[in-house]
Amino acid sequence: NAGVTQTPKFQVLKTGQSMTLQCAQDMNHNSMYWYRQDPGMGLRLIYYSASEGTTDKGEVPNGYNVSRLNKREFSLRLESAAPSQTSVYFCASRSQGVSEGFGPGTRLTVT
Amino acid sequence: KNQVEQSPQSLIILEGKNCTLQCNYTVSPFSNLRWYKQDTGRGPVSLTIMTFSENTKSNGRYTATLDADTKQSSLHITASQLSDSASYICVVRGGMDSSYKLIFGSGTRLLVRP
Repeated sequence: NAGVTQTPKFQVLKTGQSMTLQCAQDMNHNSMYWYRQDPGMGLRLIYYSASEGTTDKGEVPNGYNVSRLNKREFSLRLESAAPSQTSVYFCASRSQGVSEGFGPGTRLTVT
Repeated sequence: KNQVEQSPQSLIILEGKNCTLQCNYTVSPFSNLRWYKQDTGRGPVSLTIMTFSENTKSNGRYTATLDADTKQSSLHITASQLSDSASYICVVRGGMDSSYKLIFGSGTRLLVRP
């Protein structure tokens, strides 16, 4: 039981490049989330998916898109990366009555 | 504005000593409060979760308290170990909209020295 897995662990992009961050969970959770964590700040919600087939914007959605591919997988796409998107990205999942499980994070640098 | 403030920002203690971390929040309506431990380079891991009616909850050497009237919580670590070195994040679930919303504090970075 791997919990929440994320790929890649590290990534360096040039401004304007695109990439997709992958997230998968094997806990049969309904809800999945993408957060970013910046120094000196709390985690901020980018997008979430309350259930398979639905996605909604969080606090800081600009510059990102998501896809809930199936119950297990929730991907985050940066279409045109900007230096302001340099951050650590965490995927999380949960179900009713259960605390979130977080992935190990993806450290992204945009130059 | 819904906010979660933690203090201190960072703390250094000697192995074996106790410490207390503080969390104040202005989130309304309030659903629950969680404490997470985040090791360097890892994702947060849940330590405790408390609802409005709970005052204290323990998880091994970690004891969290909640005063919903004053909107304050604390996390007490007893007999600290080197492995307790991490960031501790206070998180409140709440907010006015119907979406599932967690509001994160910026964390207290704890360093336990031998």
